[in-house]
Amino acid sequence: DAGITQSPRYKITETGRQVTLMCHQTWSHSYMFWYRQDLGHGLRLIYYSAAADITDKGEVSDGYVVSRSKTENFPLTLESATRSQTSVYFCASSAPGGNSYNSPLHFGNGTRLTVT
Amino acid sequence: SQQGEEDPQALSIQEGENATMNCSYKTSINNLQWYRQNSGRGLVHLILIRSNEREKHSGRLRVTLDTSKKSSSLLITASRAADTASYFCATDNGAGGTSYGKLTFGQGTILTVHP
Repeated sequence: DAGITQSPRYKITETGRQVTLMCHQTWSHSYMFWYRQDLGHGLRLIYYSAAADITDKGEVSDGYVVSRSKTENFPLTLESATRSQTSVYFCASSAPGGNSYNSPLHFGNGTRLTVT
Repeated sequence: SQQGEEDPQALSIQEGENATMNCSYKTSINNLQWYRQNSGRGLVHLILIRSNEREKHSGRLRVTLDTSKKSSSLLITASRAADTASYFCATDNGAGGTSYGKLTFGQGTILTVHP
């Protein structure tokens, strides 16, 4: 089915470990995003990508790394997980058309990450 | 920093009543968007209103935008139990290009519609 899928759905890891969250979209959208959702903070942007091999930091990028070698994949890596990175992570994509940048985001169902 | 701030934080109503949620923001925007999130799921886009628009409708949804007051409201008419969810406003104040889509979300309004 077309759409945006995230894996795993749930993940428990230990402090200091490296963990990678996967995001795959089948629409060939050029733009992709990673957000984290925490109580009291709403959704905050971690990283985004305008196209393959083009990425840029968001509001809360420290401790995270992304790559985008293919348009459809946008993995997010926590290099050394900390308890403060316990959160729900959402991947999203979008495709502005023509000269209009007024297009919505399409979200995956999230990965709930717990760092112990 | 949070661009959009929503009010109220929680809203409880009966089926058939209207629900109004408000959003305020701080800087100029290209557009403002509203999203819905059901428990345990991702956000779903509801409606987008551009900075040069004042009102927009989609089914039972009505969104207004007042750029002079830097505020927006979402009205859901004739609410249903299935409308129970969290609702978020998000502002796009990017310059386009590679800055496109860097939405800033509010903390959301939790809407409960009782049957």
